[in-house]
Amino acid sequence: DAGVIQSPRHEVTEMGQEVTLRCKPISGHDYLFWYRQTMMRGLELLIYFNNNVPIDDSGMPEDRFSAKMPNASFSTLKIQPSEPRDSAVYFCASSLYLGSSSPLHFGNGTRLTVT
Amino acid sequence: EDQVTQSPEALRLQEGESSSLNCSYTVSGLRGLFWYRQDPGKGPEFLFTLYSAGEEKEKERLKATLTKKESFLHITAPKPEDSATYLCAVYNGQNFVFGPGTRLSVLP
Repeated sequence: DAGVIQSPRHEVTEMGQEVTLRCKPISGHDYLFWYRQTMMRGLELLIYFNNNVPIDDSGMPEDRFSAKMPNASFSTLKIQPSEPRDSAVYFCASSLYLGSSSPLHFGNGTRLTVT
Repeated sequence: EDQVTQSPEALRLQEGESSSLNCSYTVSGLRGLFWYRQDPGKGPEFLFTLYSAGEEKEKERLKATLTKKESFLHITAPKPEDSATYLCAVYNGQNFVFGPGTRLSVLP
C-alpha cells in the first residue's frame, strides 16, 4: 500500500498565478478530504468527496479555490489567482468510509508559498 | 460549535521522563476521539481511536485515555524518537475537528 500520494511536495509561486495541487488516494477508499494547515489556524477542512462527488465544500475559503475529483484515483485542488495569505501546507487524506471506525490517512502534504 | 483544545502547546522532556498531554473537547455528539502523530514535513499518522469514557488504548510507550470532557496521552519513559507534534481530533457524526496539537521534544 503506497499510501496517499500528493504532488508537488513544494510549490513556490507569485501572487496572481494559478496553482494546482494533486492527490492520489489509497485504492478502495471512498472518501477524500482536502485540509489546510497553518500555525495560526491548525488543520482546517476545505472540502471532502464521497465516491468522487463533492459533499461538503463549506470550508473552501472563497471562489478562488476549486476542487475536482474526476475519478476514484485522482483529485486536484486549484487556486486561481493565488494570494500570499494562501501560503500553507495543504494535505489530502482518504478513508474507507466516513465514521469513527475509519480514521483518516494523510499524505505528506504540499507546502505552498505565494510571494 | 464543536471545539478541541490541547495543552501544553509545547513540552520538553528528558529521555525517560514520563508525562501527559491533554486534549479537551466540546462536541455536540462525540462519536470518536482520535490521536495522531505528526513528524516535521510529514502528514499526521493515525495512532488511536477512543469511543467512550473510561476506554484506554496502548501502543508501545503511549497510552490514551478518555473521559467525558477530555483525553490524555500518557508517554512513559519517552525516547528521542517520540519527538513529534501530537494532534487530537473528534468526530461528531458529520466531520472531524482537529486540535492545534502539542509539540513534544524529548532530549537525550
